[in-house]
Amino acid sequence: AQSVTQLDSHVSVSEGTPVLLRCNYSSSYSPSLFWYVQHPNKGLQLLLKYTSAATLVKGINGFEAEFKKSETSFHLTKPSAHMSDAAEYFCVVSDLSGGSNYKLTFGKGTLLTVNP
Amino acid sequence: DTGVSQDPRHKITKRGQNVTFRCDPISEHNRLYWYRQTLGQGPEFLTYFQNEAQLEKSRLLSDRFSAERPKGSFSTLEIQRTEQGDSAMYLCASSRQRLGMETQYFGPGTRLLVL
Repeated sequence: AQSVTQLDSHVSVSEGTPVLLRCNYSSSYSPSLFWYVQHPNKGLQLLLKYTSAATLVKGINGFEAEFKKSETSFHLTKPSAHMSDAAEYFCVVSDLSGGSNYKLTFGKGTLLTVNP
Repeated sequence: DTGVSQDPRHKITKRGQNVTFRCDPISEHNRLYWYRQTLGQGPEFLTYFQNEAQLEKSRLLSDRFSAERPKGSFSTLEIQRTEQGDSAMYLCASSRQRLGMETQYFGPGTRLLVL
């Protein structure tokens, strides 16, 4: 079975400071990992994905995440927060334990607040 | 790329009524998924289609729920005899079958409120 734990339900940063959103996963197989972002009244948008290639994954809008198998972590970072980054962020895992790699398991989300 | 669309965007209904939601996937995508998202939670998988075949249903999907994808294009999700606990955001996603991990693209969702 696969699962995801987002360690912070709410993170607040000042504009221009670094962002760190933490995620730990559990998976029986080699997982694929994703970060999605959800702005109010908008659909989920893919930020980045890890699929067993490079462990450091770069995404859109300056975000990146590092896959650390020994720590079962996939933390999301950005060097400098922008006001437009304020949104809900979801860490997502998918693996082959169900016989197919199609089903996504979401964390509970981290609400990012960016203060001026 | 027109993206995944869902209709309606909002639905308010009274307990006991039936509701139906529609999802139009990205045109070349043969896989379609439904998820449900309640307040303060991440989306949870409900069901999955490959072309017109419904290949898996979650235990979350009670007998009051039914989903179809008759021609392998758009899909409908029907909830019969709605209950207040059905109030949630219903999300549709689509992907194109490929080797390795696919990327699921999500629609804006249908927000259901059962009074």
